[in-house]
Amino acid sequence: EVQLVESGGALVQPGRSLRLSCVASGFTFDEYAMHWVRQAPGKGLEWVSGLSWNSATIVYADSVKGRFTISRDNARNSLYLQVDSLRAEDTAFYYCVRDRNLAAVGLFDYWGQGTLVTVSS
Amino acid sequence: EIVLTQSPGTLSLSPGERATLSCRASQSVSRSYLAWYQQKPGQAPRLLIFGASTRATGIPNKFSGSGSGTDFTLTISRLEPEDFAVYFCQQYGSSDSITFGQGTRLEIK
Repeated sequence: EVQLVESGGALVQPGRSLRLSCVASGFTFDEYAMHWVRQAPGKGLEWVSGLSWNSATIVYADSVKGRFTISRDNARNSLYLQVDSLRAEDTAFYYCVRDRNLAAVGLFDYWGQGTLVTVSS
Repeated sequence: EIVLTQSPGTLSLSPGERATLSCRASQSVSRSYLAWYQQKPGQAPRLLIFGASTRATGIPNKFSGSGSGTDFTLTISRLEPEDFAVYFCQQYGSSDSITFGQGTRLEIK
């Protein structure tokens, strides 16, 4: 069974940083691209960032470019998102998501349950 | 960036009825790279349809997708209580084309 388990969400002040983590199981992690997708409470879905199976291709939404950094460790079956210079508008559930492909084309076939990041003073 | 507009915002129907949800793109969606997701309260989204009309693994055939170019439709035949949820369309294919519609809430009438 495919499982994606996120952690690292917290209540933080504007301008601070967090590192989100996702541990994957139930599939061969290095055969899939991975992404982060976020959802503000009660709102719609926003793709944040993605990377290919081998990290050769890394892409970001314009809204987070320069502030967020995605990475993966295939030996640890783990995906990460370093979130810096946090703003109130970054408040959301952050989902770890598997792409159906090796490349980061953005077709999301499995989702974690999400980790909540709240940015507030 | 292609903008996806879903309609209606809320759809009120009764169990047993047929639901038709619309997703319109501001530009043609390349190779029909259009997906549909279902999200129930407190849960993560679930992939229903990709490639505009291909059901994902384990999705029952009461869910069907159609369309091409700029106009796409998700149809749910014979609504059951567990089908009442929020549905999102999404375009994919490359990093500059991963966007979601704003969602349609399907509620029990």
